[in-house]
Amino acid sequence: AQSVTQLGSHVSVSEGALVLLRCNYSSSVPPYLFWYVQYPNQGLQLLLKYTSAATLVKGINGFEAEFKKSETSFHLTKPSAHMSDAAEYFCAVRFTTSGTYKYIFGTGTRLKVLA
Amino acid sequence: SQTIHQWPATLVQPVGSPLSLECTVEGTSNPNLYWYRQAAGRGLQLLFYSVGIGQISSEVPQNLSASRPQDRQFILSSKKLLLSDSGFYLCAWARGRLKSGANVLTFGAGSRLTVL
Repeated sequence: AQSVTQLGSHVSVSEGALVLLRCNYSSSVPPYLFWYVQYPNQGLQLLLKYTSAATLVKGINGFEAEFKKSETSFHLTKPSAHMSDAAEYFCAVRFTTSGTYKYIFGTGTRLKVLA
Repeated sequence: SQTIHQWPATLVQPVGSPLSLECTVEGTSNPNLYWYRQAAGRGLQLLFYSVGIGQISSEVPQNLSASRPQDRQFILSSKKLLLSDSGFYLCAWARGRLKSGANVLTFGAGSRLTVL
């Protein structure tokens, strides 16, 4: 069965420091993986997506993620945190079932950026 | 361009009352539609998804139901709300046809339900 696990429900970093949010997936087939961001009381916004075209994926707002098959990981990084990055981040896996797509999300990581 | 609308944005309802949350998508046809619930500390739980009018798949047994009366309309309902139904409900859509590459999920702004 496909699933994603996000390690660390809360992560705090100083402004300007490296951001690393962890995501491990479980999938019996090559996965399609996504990172979404959610600001308070809003819907989720797509940050980036992995589609097997390249293992290093660049997204919006300076975020990127690297797909590592050997580690079944898809960690999200940003070299320098900004105060505006404070939000909740979700990793998701997409798989095909009964002729359609289902998207399964991790439990989320809340990022706090300290001044 | 495609847009997705959800309403109401906020709802406070007493236990035992009915519920209706509505979601519509514009600018596309035959979308796949999804309802998720987000409860504090529990991430996003897929509740229902639909690949076409009248076609509803339920992910978890619960007090809620979904309907798709029109191609781009998805409704989440309950006949009698429970306290445990409180949460943030998110509607989302994705392209209906399976394609290679990333068919991404696009979310509405959400509806916050408080059951008292």
